[in-house]
Parts: sequence; C-alpha cells; structure tokens
Amino acid sequence: DVKVTQSSRYLVKRTGEKVFLECVQDMDHENMFWYRQDPGLGLRLIYFSYDVKMKEKGDIPEGYSVSREKKERFSLILESASTNQTSMYLCASSSGQSDEQFFGPGTRLTVL
Amino acid sequence: AQSVTQLGSHVSVSEGALVLLRCNYSSSVPPYLFWYVQYPNQGLQLLLKYTSAATLVKGINGFEAEFKKSETSFHLTKPSAHMSDAAEYFCAVTGGGADGLTFGKGTHLIIQP
Repeated sequence: DVKVTQSSRYLVKRTGEKVFLECVQDMDHENMFWYRQDPGLGLRLIYFSYDVKMKEKGDIPEGYSVSREKKERFSLILESASTNQTSMYLCASSSGQSDEQFFGPGTRLTVL
Repeated sequence: AQSVTQLGSHVSVSEGALVLLRCNYSSSVPPYLFWYVQYPNQGLQLLLKYTSAATLVKGINGFEAEFKKSETSFHLTKPSAHMSDAAEYFCAVTGGGADGLTFGKGTHLIIQP
C-alpha cells in the first residue's frame, strides 16, 4: 500500500520558534508538495519540488522554506513561527506533474 | 492559468437521497480533473479522476462525475447518500506542465438521518 507519512499529527509551538515538518513517501515519486489548509480557504500551495535539491514557490511561500536532500523526503521549515501560521499542513507526492497526488494524514500545528 | 469554483461551502442531504456536488473549472488547455474526499482529521483521498477518456467517470464508494466541456463543469454525484459519506469534498484541476493541481475551496457534505 502506497504511503505518505508526516512526522507529527499534532504540534504545539511558541511564537518565534523554528519548526520542522517532515514528510516521507515510499512511492519513488519525483514530485512533492506542501499545502496549508484553512477553513473556507481550501488548500493553498506553499512550496513544491520536482526533483532532489530543487524547489519552487507556490502561492503562499512567505514565512516558509523547504528542503529536499533525498528523493523520498521533503521538509517544510518555519524559520520563526507566528500565530498566523496556525493551520493544518498537508504533504503530497505525485509521479508526474499532472498526475494524481497522494496525501499524508496532515499535521495540525498550533502556534501560541 | 486554471481555477476551480465549488458552488456551496455546505451541502445537506437526507440519507438515501441524491448527492450532487458542483464543480466548475477554467483552464486554457484541455484539463485533467479530480475529486478528493477528506474525512475528519485525515488527509485527502482520491475519489475519481478525468483524464480525457470517457466523459462519465466512476469512482470509489459509488460516486461518479461527468465532464461537460460546454458547461466547463465536473459535478460529483451519488444516487443514494449514506451516513459514511459525510466529509469534505474537493475538486481539483490541472492543465499539465508545471502548474500542478489547483484546488477548489471545498464542500462540506452533511448527511441527515
């Protein structure tokens, strides 16, 4: 069974902390994505990667960075967490750029 | 560029009734279209996808969707709602290339007993 896993289901951090969200896929997919999901706003793309060490900004990259050192792992970094980054974060992967995306279970991050 | 509009942030139907969730898209190239379902505190799961083969697409859990180019629509239907269908549903579109998927804002489906 194909799988995308995220390091934490729930996370509570304080304002100003550096936060790492990890995502791992076991499908040998080229493409990986980070979204945030907020009520009434749907899914908004933060960053994506089409290859190792490659990254592209999505629609809302401000306040975030990413790292992809290995094909199976894509990390989202909040350099200095703020309360407006409290959200559900979803990671996804796909084989082709226009193919079905497979999603992880999500990380619900609360920044106090 | 592409975009998706889902009409109705909340849809309520009785158990056993028809489910109809609306999705309209815009795309400058022939689109690929997807419907995803999200159960509480879970990630998104693919229900079905249209990739320019048959215009009527059947998915999991008895759902289906019809691609209508003239109406730029891809509405999701199920003949008879079940309590387990209560969830958030997302429509997504891609025109291919580097654009990836663009998601609608979601429709919360409520099933009344």
